[in-house]
Amino acid sequence: QKEVEQNSGPLSVPEGAIASLNCTYSDRGSQSFFWYRQYSGKSPELIMSIYSNGDKEDGRFTAQLNKASQYVSLLIRDSQPSDSATYLCAVNNPGTASKLTFGTGTRLQVTL
Amino acid sequence: GAVVSQHPSRVICKSGTSVKIECRSLDFQATTMFWYRQFPKKSLMLMATSNEGSKATYEQGVEKDKFLINHASLTLSTLTVTSAHPEDSSFYICSADPPAGYTDTQYFGPGTRLTVL
Repeated sequence: QKEVEQNSGPLSVPEGAIASLNCTYSDRGSQSFFWYRQYSGKSPELIMSIYSNGDKEDGRFTAQLNKASQYVSLLIRDSQPSDSATYLCAVNNPGTASKLTFGTGTRLQVTL
Repeated sequence: GAVVSQHPSRVICKSGTSVKIECRSLDFQATTMFWYRQFPKKSLMLMATSNEGSKATYEQGVEKDKFLINHASLTLSTLTVTSAHPEDSSFYICSADPPAGYTDTQYFGPGTRLTVL
């Protein structure tokens, strides 16, 4: 059973702080990792993708991947109230290039 | 603008009726589309992979006779919930897999909220 694990939260951070979201996955063969943001009642939107060990930065977002530890994280700097949403970690299924397994999501609350 | 559209966005139906949801890829031809279901406060669960011109591949536990998928063209996949019951009430989301070199992941539609009375 391929699994993607996330803490469901809620994770509460004050405005301007760094939010750290974590995800672990079970299948060592996975090669592609994605973070999606989902607002209540809406469909997911892609925030970041990462394929290699290390950090990948895009604006206020940084994705971190450690394949040896089977761990991927998302850092959000200077958190804004508009960042309040559920963040879904998704991992590809090896051998099925585009098929994804999603984690349960972490709900982030950015407080004023 | 929207890359993948879904119709309808919201539907309410009586128990026992069938409901068809359309998923259209607007910017590219998609040989593969995916159908997901999401219950409140739960994650996306893949129901099936829709392949243009061939039968859909269903995930374990998903009844293929209840959730009929048709992918008749490279831009359209439909999901029909047959003989819907209240437990089928959920948020149904499709995604389209773009061609190689277009982008690195699926594009999601806006979702269809189904309520079965």
